[in-house]
Amino acid sequence: DAGVIQSPRHEVTEMGQEVTLRCKPISGHDYLFWYRQTMMRGLELLIYFNNNVPIDDSGMPEDRFSAKMPNASFSTLKIQPSEPRDSAVYFCASSSRAGEQYFGPGTRLTVT
Amino acid sequence: GEDVEQSLFLSVREGDSSVINCTYTDSSSTYLYWYKQEPGAGLQLLTYIFSNMDMKQDQRLTVLLNKKDKHLSLRIADTQTGDSAIYFCAEQSPGNNRKLIWGLGTSLAVNP
Repeated sequence: DAGVIQSPRHEVTEMGQEVTLRCKPISGHDYLFWYRQTMMRGLELLIYFNNNVPIDDSGMPEDRFSAKMPNASFSTLKIQPSEPRDSAVYFCASSSRAGEQYFGPGTRLTVT
Repeated sequence: GEDVEQSLFLSVREGDSSVINCTYTDSSSTYLYWYKQEPGAGLQLLTYIFSNMDMKQDQRLTVLLNKKDKHLSLRIADTQTGDSAIYFCAEQSPGNNRKLIWGLGTSLAVNP
């Protein structure tokens, strides 16, 4: 099993640009989570899906952030326009059992 | 409210035991989890304990749960340099959802 796959691993962009982060969950997992990790705020849950349907997006910081899951094997997190304060590591995780979340390697985003 | 607290840093000598502590606030939590994050990687589930247990042992790992004090600990016996990582405590959010409430993580440094 390849595990959770995220791309790109690193992204450097200028303020105002659109950023798209991608995730492929583990096959058969019906839950998908997007997290953001920073030194100041720790690990924050942004949104999670069940069977491709968004269940809780209360962690999405503002309207600049959007997430989609068009099918069971793919999800995107988009930031438009990006700002320097969005710089963080973004993780995708998938799960088939409560609490047992499998994390991808993360995307390190730097917005200059 | 829901909150999970951990000390931020712990330093031990190789071969000693490490004890990482965590307190949580929601007495209705059913499961409590320990995750490990190595540098540059995503989080990895280490172990978990069900709320009706007070101890769980898995090789070098021992989890102790004190429900009365809402205190959870992770003991690592014979700590090795490869155990250097950040350890996250998490509790299952109450209700029928898959959210985890995360601590900020304890950075464990193992000195040779």
